[in-house]
Amino acid sequence: AQSVTQPDIHITVSEGASLELRCNYSYGATPYLFWYVQSPGQGLQLLLKYFSGDTLVQGIKGFEAEFKRSQSSFNLRKPSVHWSDAAEYFCAVGSGGGADGLTFGKGTHLIIQP
Amino acid sequence: NAGVTQTPKFRVLKTGQSMTLLCAQDMNHEYMYWYRQDPGMGLRLIHYSVGEGTTAKGEVPDGYNVSRLKKQNFLLGLESAAPSQTSVYFCASSYGGQGNTEAFFGQGTRLTVV
Repeated sequence: AQSVTQPDIHITVSEGASLELRCNYSYGATPYLFWYVQSPGQGLQLLLKYFSGDTLVQGIKGFEAEFKRSQSSFNLRKPSVHWSDAAEYFCAVGSGGGADGLTFGKGTHLIIQP
Repeated sequence: NAGVTQTPKFRVLKTGQSMTLLCAQDMNHEYMYWYRQDPGMGLRLIHYSVGEGTTAKGEVPDGYNVSRLKKQNFLLGLESAAPSQTSVYFCASSYGGQGNTEAFFGQGTRLTVV
């Protein structure tokens, strides 16, 4: 069975500092990987996804993520965070053509210090 | 373009009561999903549908029923609510299987069972 681990429950970063959120996955085949963001009281919004090809993917809001097969990781990065980035971030793995939804990590709560 | 709309947004039920959550999407998506989100648990798939008239069980289906009588609507029913069903419920839809296609989420329904 596939699984996703986000080791950090909470992360606090100063505004303007760089950010890296960790994600490790377990999946038997080539994974389809996603990062979603959830702002307070809102639904989830897709930040970026990796299916194949270039292992460094760019997303919205200045985020990027790098797929490292050898480490089973898909870490999310941003060079300089803004106060509006404070949110819950979820990493998820999909089964490619499968219709049976995504497997989500438990999320990382990002706090931005002024 | 409304996207995915969930009603109601908030509800308090007494143990044993029943209710139906409605999800409507206007993107002509084939696939629709119901998730529940609990603190520290991420999102877990309850049921999903790959098209009008179809439904399938997800990871945590017990205590819930669903119906997809129209392509644009996906209903989640609780026949006899229990305190363990206190959660935030999210509906999502996607053009293709969620394993490899962007999913669009509603804003959630916060349900409390007392």
